[in-house]
Amino acid sequence: GDSVTQMEGPVTLSEEAFLTINCTYTATGYPSLFWYVQYPGEGLQLLLKATKADDKGSNKGFEATYRKETTSFHLEKGSVQVSDSAVYFCALSDHAGGTSYGKLTFGQGTILTVHP
Amino acid sequence: DVKVTQSSRYLVKRTGEKVFLECVQDMDHENMFWYRQDPGLGLRLIYFSYDVKMKEKGDIPEGYSVSREKKERFSLILESASTNQTSMYLCASSSPSGRVNEQFFGPGTRLTVL
Repeated sequence: GDSVTQMEGPVTLSEEAFLTINCTYTATGYPSLFWYVQYPGEGLQLLLKATKADDKGSNKGFEATYRKETTSFHLEKGSVQVSDSAVYFCALSDHAGGTSYGKLTFGQGTILTVHP
Repeated sequence: DVKVTQSSRYLVKRTGEKVFLECVQDMDHENMFWYRQDPGLGLRLIYFSYDVKMKEKGDIPEGYSVSREKKERFSLILESASTNQTSMYLCASSSPSGRVNEQFFGPGTRLTVL
């Protein structure tokens, strides 16, 4: 079945440091890929997404590129802020059509803490 | 603004009690999902529903049931709560239109079973 593997955390950085959170996946077909973020005490919010190979998703300074050849979707940010402290989840979705209903498969989550 | 609400943010129950977790969405979405979130395990799908009165088992349905009598409401039921069901429960909804099936999440219910 489908699976998503994220780098083990937690990750602790100083403000303005460069961030990479690795994500690799196993799936049949051509899934869509997502990064979700969960701020303390809240539900998950979509951070960015990519629907096909070589697509780059971006939002709030975060970027991730859909790499089919390496089955990866690594999250990057050039300069993190204290307000980026959260849990980050990589996820994939099969298509919404047919009987799949677009279910999401999540990685285990990576806790990011940014210090001033 | 899209909205998924859950009936409680925090809930404490005793072993053996019947527990109802309610989720309501105002986006007229066809699909609704229940997940549990545990440290180191990410989110795991318990049940989902693609239409009123329709339901499908997810990856970990044992010990849970669901009900969807109206399109906007999806309930998760713990028939006889056990301590290993202590967890964060997240509800989500989505629409099957288009290829990208973004899910919208509620704030979560942290359930403690004593």
